Amino acid sequence: DTGVSQDPRHKITKRGQNVTFRCDPISEHNRLYWYRQTLGQGPEFLTYFQNEAQLEKSRLLSDRFSAERPKGSFSTLEIQRTEQGDSAMYLCASSSTSGSSYEQYFGPGTRLTVT
Amino acid sequence: AQSVAQPEDQVNVAEGNPLTVKCTYSVSGNPYLFWYVQYPNRGLQFLLKYITGDNLVKGSYGFEAEFNKSQTSFHLKKPSALVSDSALYFCAVRRANFGNEKLTFGTGTRLTIIP
Repeated sequence: DTGVSQDPRHKITKRGQNVTFRCDPISEHNRLYWYRQTLGQGPEFLTYFQNEAQLEKSRLLSDRFSAERPKGSFSTLEIQRTEQGDSAMYLCASSSTSGSSYEQYFGPGTRLTVT
Repeated sequence: AQSVAQPEDQVNVAEGNPLTVKCTYSVSGNPYLFWYVQYPNRGLQFLLKYITGDNLVKGSYGFEAEFNKSQTSFHLKKPSALVSDSALYFCAVRRANFGNEKLTFGTGTRLTIIP
């Protein structure tokens, strides 16, 4: 079990540019989640997938945000036309639907800075 | 809607003393409750959960938490604090329905253990 991995760990971009983040979940986990965390706040839910299906999206996820999980394994989160308000830590988590495991396991996060 | 309140931004405890980090929640129906810990530049680490059954749950690193349905609380406790327990702690809740996967987090409590 190598844990949830995220790439890149840090991203600095200029306002108006597009950015894409990648998340690799724990290998046997079929659910994958994206959260956003700003300074002094807890993580806020953005979206989640079960296998390749995107089952829920938060109202926080504006039209500039899109997430995919094409083969039910890794996921990407793209932000188009970035704004300074998008600066945050983007966290990915995964979980399993088998057994009595309800907890989500988090990756180290991608810190985005929009200048 | 679901929400979590962590009323203390900061808790300071002397090493060796018992510690308590408070959490209250609001959710329709039965709750699933979780505690996570976040160290600097690292992702959230799962500590413990309440799903059903015994109101006192035990988790990693000697931590435990007590579910109190009448007070809608889930306080985190440890009998004897270690300096290494110093970190940011988050309480989270979700509804106990299949298909409702969204975790709602509190704003976090920074725990400092004083040597």
